[in-house]
Amino acid sequence: NAGVTQTPKFRILKIGQSMTLQCTQDMNHNYMYWYRQDPGMGLKLIYYSVGAGITDKGEVPNGYNVSRSTTEDFPLRLELAAPSQTSVYFCASSSGTNTVLTEAFFGQGTRLTVV
Amino acid sequence: AQSVTQLGSHVSVSEGALVLLRCNYSSSVPPYLFWYVQYPNQGLQLLLKYTSAATLVKGINGFEAEFKKSETSFHLTKPSAHMSDAAEYFCAVSEGGGATNKLIFGTGTLLAVQP
Repeated sequence: NAGVTQTPKFRILKIGQSMTLQCTQDMNHNYMYWYRQDPGMGLKLIYYSVGAGITDKGEVPNGYNVSRSTTEDFPLRLELAAPSQTSVYFCASSSGTNTVLTEAFFGQGTRLTVV
Repeated sequence: AQSVTQLGSHVSVSEGALVLLRCNYSSSVPPYLFWYVQYPNQGLQLLLKYTSAATLVKGINGFEAEFKKSETSFHLTKPSAHMSDAAEYFCAVSEGGGATNKLIFGTGTLLAVQP
């Protein structure tokens, strides 16, 4: 039972490089989320999606892009990496309707360092 | 827009003592509230959730939380701390399902348990 899978687990980028963080879930959840976690700051929502083809900005979207072409996948794109994007990134998914929401299930995280 | 505030970024208790971690929320509609735990270098694991049923919610590992609408609070408690409870704890709020759903986290409380 895989749940939410993130790849890679670790990555070092040079300033200005680009990369895609992959996230896939096998629970048929409609909601998916990307967070970044920095020490003392908790988790900040970057982008989220309420279903395939629908995405929206969270609290800290600048410097990132997402797409949701399928229910299972929600990749996060960094176009021009900056040192401020050094962080641990978590992907999560949950299931919900207009009146019901389940808890979010999290991946194991991607530790990204930009040098 | 919904938000949560966790009072106390660091809490230290003795083994066997009461654990109290504070969370206050802001929401324009009846909220969904969650407590998650994060052990070092791991993802987040759900402890418990409030979804407008009983106001006293019991979770895993002996934790519980009480929803108090008048105080806009959802504090996490455990009667007797164990060494294994040492971790970071996050409170989160959602305004439910639908097209504008977001899951917003607090800044976290690091719990230390002294022998």
